[in-house]
Amino acid sequence: QVTLRESGPALVKPTQTLTLTCTFSGFSLSTSGMCVSWIRQPPGKALEWLARIDWDDDKYYSTSLKTRLTISKDTSKNQVVLTMTNMDPVDTATYYCARIRGQAYSSGWYLGYFDYWGQGTLVTVSS
Amino acid sequence: DIQMTQSPSSLSASVGDRVTITCQASQDISNYLNWYQQKPGKAPKLLIYDASNLETGVPSRFSGSGSGTDFTFTISSLQPEDIATYYCQQYDNLPPEYTFGQGTKLEIK
Repeated sequence: QVTLRESGPALVKPTQTLTLTCTFSGFSLSTSGMCVSWIRQPPGKALEWLARIDWDDDKYYSTSLKTRLTISKDTSKNQVVLTMTNMDPVDTATYYCARIRGQAYSSGWYLGYFDYWGQGTLVTVSS
Repeated sequence: DIQMTQSPSSLSASVGDRVTITCQASQDISNYLNWYQQKPGKAPKLLIYDASNLETGVPSRFSGSGSGTDFTFTISSLQPEDIATYYCQQYDNLPPEYTFGQGTKLEIK
C-alpha cells in the first residue's frame, strides 16, 4: 500500500525559508522509474508543479521558481525534502507531495503522471 | 512553456447526464495528458492517464480521448459522488515540466 504524508510548519513569516518533508511508504525511491514531486495549490486556485526528484537523484524544478527551490531525498528514511527560500504571502498554499510511477520504453522513461498523492499540508505566509 | 486551456470553468448538470470537459494544449503534446478529480478538502486523484487509459479502480463511466492539442474528458452518466473539481495535466519532458489546467468545478443541478 502506497502512502505519502507531508509535514512542516503551518505558518512562516515573509522572507523565511520553508522546509517541507514528504515521508512515504509502499515503494522505494531507489527503484528505477520511481520519482517524487511537490505540487502546490493556493486556496481556491489551480495546481502548480514545483519540483521532481528521481530514483537516480536527478532533480528538476519549475522554471518560474527554480531559483528558490531545492529538493533532496533520504532513501534510507523514505523521505523527500523541499526547501523554498524567501517566502512571500503569495506562496500561501496547500503543498502536496506525489509519486510518479515511471514506464520504461526503448527510448527511455515516461514519467508523466502522479498516481499517489499525500493529503497535503497548508502553509500560510504571514507576519 | 506549454499552456493548457480547460473549459468550462464550471458546469452544472443533473444526475444521469453525460458531462464533457475539454482541454486544449498550446502545442502538440501527443497523448501526454492526464485527468484528475479533486473533492473539497482532499488531494487530487488520478482518473485517466495517457489521454485515454483508465486508472485501476476508477469506474468505467469516466473516459478520456484525444491527442495532439485537443482532449476530452467524459462522464457518461453523472453520479452524485462525482461532484468535484476536475483538472487536466500535461507532461513535457524536455526539460521535465508539468502543467495543470485551471480546473472545472462540477455541480449537481
